[in-house]
Amino acid sequence: DAGVTQSPTHLIKTRGQQVTLRCSPKSGHDTVSWYQQALGQGPQFIFQYYEEEERQRGNFPDRFSGHQFPNYSSELNVNALLLGDSALYLCASTRGLNTGELFFGEGSRLTVL
Amino acid sequence: QKEVEQNSGPLSVPEGAIASLNCTYSDRGSQSFFWYRQYSGKSPELIMFIYSNGDKEDGRFTAQLNKASQYVSLLIRDSQPSDSATYLCAVNEYGGSQGNLIFGKGTKLSVKP
Repeated sequence: DAGVTQSPTHLIKTRGQQVTLRCSPKSGHDTVSWYQQALGQGPQFIFQYYEEEERQRGNFPDRFSGHQFPNYSSELNVNALLLGDSALYLCASTRGLNTGELFFGEGSRLTVL
Repeated sequence: QKEVEQNSGPLSVPEGAIASLNCTYSDRGSQSFFWYRQYSGKSPELIMFIYSNGDKEDGRFTAQLNKASQYVSLLIRDSQPSDSATYLCAVNEYGGSQGNLIFGKGTKLSVKP
């Protein structure tokens, strides 16, 4: 049973560039949430997708956008990268909207120079 | 600003002792409470959840919830070196979906052999 898979695992970008991160949820899960975890901090909620729609959004600017595909996989896009966007980006999946019992992927570590 | 507060630690306990991890939250409407464990360089992993006041036991772990005091704790009995990790307290955001969790910064636990 495959867990949550994310790609790429590491990437380096420069300020102003754009990045796309990808996530495949755990088998049987249909809901994907994205979190940002800066060094020494807890994860911060970015947004959640269910039935290909953004259902909830945290306090992140419009530079952060996402998408969910019919097979439940998801993408996170960040435009106009800033140094402060350097973080571990975590994808978490669940079955349905009514649970906080999240299964996390190993994350994509983004470094912005 | 809804917040979840945890002592960052490190909390150091000898092998076999009880480790006590504490968490307070600001949103009185929160309904669901979670403890995630995060090993260094890894993603968070759910270890306990609690929805009702009182204690909930699962093996060596006990979660305690006091909604009146807005306080959640995690007790780890017979601590093992393999329990050494950062423990993240998470609370659902009232009015949001269950997947929209507010995390604390985590408490780093070190269990000494």
